[in-house]
Amino acid sequence: GAVVSQHPSWVICKSGTSVKIECRSLDFQATTMFWYRQFPKQSLMLMATSNEGSKATYEQGVEKDKFLINHASLTLSTLTVTSAHPEDSSFYICSARAPRELDTQYFGPGTRLTVL
Amino acid sequence: GQQLNQSPQSMFIQEGEDVSMNCTSSSIFNTWLWYKQDPGEGPVLLIALYKAGELTSNGRLTAQFGITRKDSFLNISASIPSDVGIYFCAGYKTSYDKVIFGPGTSLSVIP
Repeated sequence: GAVVSQHPSWVICKSGTSVKIECRSLDFQATTMFWYRQFPKQSLMLMATSNEGSKATYEQGVEKDKFLINHASLTLSTLTVTSAHPEDSSFYICSARAPRELDTQYFGPGTRLTVL
Repeated sequence: GQQLNQSPQSMFIQEGEDVSMNCTSSSIFNTWLWYKQDPGEGPVLLIALYKAGELTSNGRLTAQFGITRKDSFLNISASIPSDVGIYFCAGYKTSYDKVIFGPGTSLSVIP
């Protein structure tokens, strides 16, 4: 099956700093990638949909200036949490849709962000 | 907006027992997905369902797409300790719609 990786797997940062998380599709080209946030004991909440070469589409309530998404190539999307605060601490998960399997999303292993 | 409900919220079962969980939607979906998430990991797709009434198996797992298109069921036979985790149902109407996730069912297996 399709493989999606994320880097880093966990990160601890100070309040006010920015953190970049990478999402890569390893064995397929993904025209669309998705970014989710998951708080403890809760379900996945879609933050934004990222299409290669165009601006990301953000869900209601998600600040686009705080969560910068760049889908620069067909295999890489990045999420930058700018001026992170403790309330941004969460598990961030990306997923990618394979071109010939439009009905399926493959998820990365997630990135645990802790903001002190 | 669209919402999914899963039941039960959590379950504790003895190793070897069969497990049943379900997912209901407030609106019609044309695709149902079942994922399993281990602690600290991303969700892994278990089964995808594309037709109403469809019954699909993946090893000890069997899932069904409800006839009304508003529900889906997942069964696990002869549970083993590695079945422990959170099971999420997810669904959407068309490929261009966002995937809606249920709140999850937490499964614990007692050896």
